[in-house]
Amino acid sequence: SAVISQKPSRDICQRGTSLTIQCQVDSQVTMMFWYRQQPGQSLTLIATANQGSEATYESGFVIDKFPISRPNLTFSTLTVSNMSPEDSSIYLCSVVTGHGYTFGSGTRLTVV
Amino acid sequence: GENVEQHPSTLSVQEGDSAVIKCTYSDSASNYFPWYKQELGKRPQLIIDIRSNVGEKKDQRIAVTLNKTAKHFSLHITETQPEDSAVYFCAASKASGTYKYIFGTGTRLKVLA
Repeated sequence: SAVISQKPSRDICQRGTSLTIQCQVDSQVTMMFWYRQQPGQSLTLIATANQGSEATYESGFVIDKFPISRPNLTFSTLTVSNMSPEDSSIYLCSVVTGHGYTFGSGTRLTVV
Repeated sequence: GENVEQHPSTLSVQEGDSAVIKCTYSDSASNYFPWYKQELGKRPQLIIDIRSNVGEKKDQRIAVTLNKTAKHFSLHITETQPEDSAVYFCAASKASGTYKYIFGTGTRLKVLA
């Protein structure tokens, strides 16, 4: 299965600022997914990122708040913009392989 | 919209006993059902999956059953061990097209030594 490097692993940010999370995959993948996992909660899909096209956002998530880049088949970024304490969460990228989803190690974001 | 319900939310069992977690999905077009285990502070890891053309799949102490008619699928863990303690998530997907997973709400399993 694919190996995903995600960074940063954690960050503490001031409200009103932005944080960009990076995911690097060790093989070329068509689709990458960005999930949010709030403390003690399930995984909620933010958007699907395909190379060469605009990301597809799920209900409740908008591009202005969570802009995504997908410049090639091995890399993607998610930016959390104009952060508020409600954005404190774990953010995970994932890819589809022959063995289902493989997740990155996650970014634990705390907004103060 | 698409939805996956998961029960129970917490489950405590004695070491050596069996544990069963149940999920119900709403989208009849779903045809792929993975189960993920998430240990504290770690990423979710796939432990077993089942496709809609199969009714049951087993891997050592872990098994998954699927009832397509009732839109139910279940995870069975036998001879539980303390290292089975974790949060378990079920998911449903169409396994084609968007490959989007809809996750259940999770079950926190505690295996008591």
